[in-house]
Amino acid sequence: DAGVIQSPRHEVTEMGQEVTLRCKPISGHDYLFWYRQTMMRGLELLIYFNNNVPIDDSGMPEDRFSAKMPNASFSTLKIQPSEPRDSAVYFCASMWRTGDATGELFFGEGSRLTVL
Amino acid sequence: AQSVTQPDIHITVSEGASLELRCNYSYGATPYLFWYVQSPGQGLQLLLKYFSGDTLVQGIKGFEAEFKRSQSSFNLRKPSVHWSDAAEYFCAVGGPNAGNMLTFGGGTRLMVKP
Repeated sequence: DAGVIQSPRHEVTEMGQEVTLRCKPISGHDYLFWYRQTMMRGLELLIYFNNNVPIDDSGMPEDRFSAKMPNASFSTLKIQPSEPRDSAVYFCASMWRTGDATGELFFGEGSRLTVL
Repeated sequence: AQSVTQPDIHITVSEGASLELRCNYSYGATPYLFWYVQSPGQGLQLLLKYFSGDTLVQGIKGFEAEFKRSQSSFNLRKPSVHWSDAAEYFCAVGGPNAGNMLTFGGGTRLMVKP
């Protein structure tokens, strides 16, 4: 399997622009997670899905952030409008909870976002 | 609520020296414990995990960790560090009572001196 695939790897945008980050989880995995990593706050869970349904979005910082999972093989995280404080590395991770009760997460390589 | 503490933000060791990274957790039942490694510009990769059985767990790249319930610890060890081990290491806790959530520690950045 190719692993969790994220795009773009790097994004530089200007404040106020819309940003869309994309994730393809490992085939067969039933959970998908979006994390944000910054020097100041470490690794933060933003939202996660089970079988394409959002389960917990309490980590989403504010209404400017939204996430969707239209099918089992694709998810997006959108920021509109973007602000400089959104600059971070955003990770997508997936898990096969049905087959592995321990809850091992498989991470993508991340999308590094810089908002000027 | 579950939590993870990694007391050391930075550690520097000489190549060939032994390594121990500390991890303390808080969890209301038998935890599932994980160590992940993150190389620069990369995602997190699983080194090892504990969920039951032998409290000494072997992982990839020559790492091992020991679950000590009495100390609520899950320290990561390696007998001889290689320069390629320089990375950031994250401890995480989860388990049946945690739903499907892993809670991560703040990470320990390891630097290796030649």
